[in-house]
Order: sequence, then C-alpha cells, then structure tokens
Amino acid sequence: NAGVMQNPRHLVRRRGQEARLRCSPMKGHSHVYWYRQLPEEGLKFMVYLQKENIIDESGMPKERFSAEFPKEGPSILRIQQVVRGDSAAYFCASSPQDRTISYGYTFGSGTRLTVV
Amino acid sequence: AQSVTQLDSQVPVFEEAPVELRCNYSSSVSVYLFWYVQYPNQGLQLLLKYLSGSTLVKGINGFEAEFNKSQTSFHLRKPSVHISDTAEYFCAVSDFQNDMRFGAGTRLTVKP
Repeated sequence: NAGVMQNPRHLVRRRGQEARLRCSPMKGHSHVYWYRQLPEEGLKFMVYLQKENIIDESGMPKERFSAEFPKEGPSILRIQQVVRGDSAAYFCASSPQDRTISYGYTFGSGTRLTVV
Repeated sequence: AQSVTQLDSQVPVFEEAPVELRCNYSSSVSVYLFWYVQYPNQGLQLLLKYLSGSTLVKGINGFEAEFNKSQTSFHLRKPSVHISDTAEYFCAVSDFQNDMRFGAGTRLTVKP
C-alpha cells in the first residue's frame, strides 16, 4: 500500500524552463494539498484541490504557478519560466474524503527543485 | 483564519536532557492540533494529534503534547532526548474548513 508518491525526487531546471511536479495521493484519498518549503523556512500552504476542482489557491503566486488534479492521473504542480527564487522543496499531502480532520494529512517525500 | 507560531526556530539540547518545543495558535473556532517531524531530506511524519478529550496527548517516539485552551498553546515535550531525535518539528492547526496551516518549524539538535 504505497503512500503519497511524488516524482521526481529531485528536479533541476534552467531559468526560464518549465517545471512539472507530480503527486499521486494515497489510495482512497481524494483531497490533495501542495506546500512549499523554502530553505531555512517552514512549510507554506500553496493550494488545496479535490478531483477536477481547485478549492483554495490562496497560497499560490499569482503568476507562473498553476495546479490541477484531473479525474484520472496524478495532481500536477506546474511552474512556468522558473526563476532562482523558485528553488525549494515542494511537498504534496493527501487526505481521505471524510476523515481529513481526524487523520491529519499524509505527506509525500517531496520534490526538491533546483533552478540554475 | 487560523495561524501558528513556533516561538523557537532552533533548540539545541544535550542527549538525555528533557526538551520542550513551544507552539501557540490563533483561531476563531475550535481547532485540531498536530505535531509533525521531518528528518533530513525526508517528508513529514505525524508525531501526534489533538482532536478532543484529554488535553495530554501521547505520540510516537516518546513525545507528548499538552493542549492548553486558555493559553492557546500546544507545546511538545520529551523527558529524555536521543541523538536520533535531531530533526525539524512542525506544529500545525486545522479547523472545520478542511485546511491545515503550519508553523515555521523548530530545528531540534541533540548533542552527545
């Protein structure tokens, strides 16, 4: 029973390229959350999605960042035209549809994005 | 909206000493509180959670936390730490709106 799977684990992009980060939630989980962890900082909420719906994107930068969680397949966090300041660890978490509060979130191991 | 403040960004401590990592929260509604641990280059693992009932919550690896509603705190404690407890610890709060907010983290360094 795999947990939350994120890939790739490490991603290197040149400035101006696009970065795509994937997250497959735990089996049976239909809620996905993306967090960003900058060096020496804590976790910052970015976006909360359910299947085919963005529920809360209050933490997403207004430009270059987008997220989706299609009916089939993993959730994708897309960063267009990356800049050095986008270098960070990006964590995905998931929760069951009706037990979110009681069980907390299950986190993936993260994708470490380095922009060179 | 809820928020979390972790008062100490770094806590150095010697092995076998007790430790307390402080966490305060603010929220206009009832909340659920969590502590997560992040070992180097890994994701977050749930240490313990407070949902309701007893204000003293016991978690994994000998950690416990006490919910204090009047002081809006949820401090994490361990009576005797090990080298292997060296990690980043995050306090988090969630309300009925199905969202979770994290503190900035406390880096616990256990020295021999």
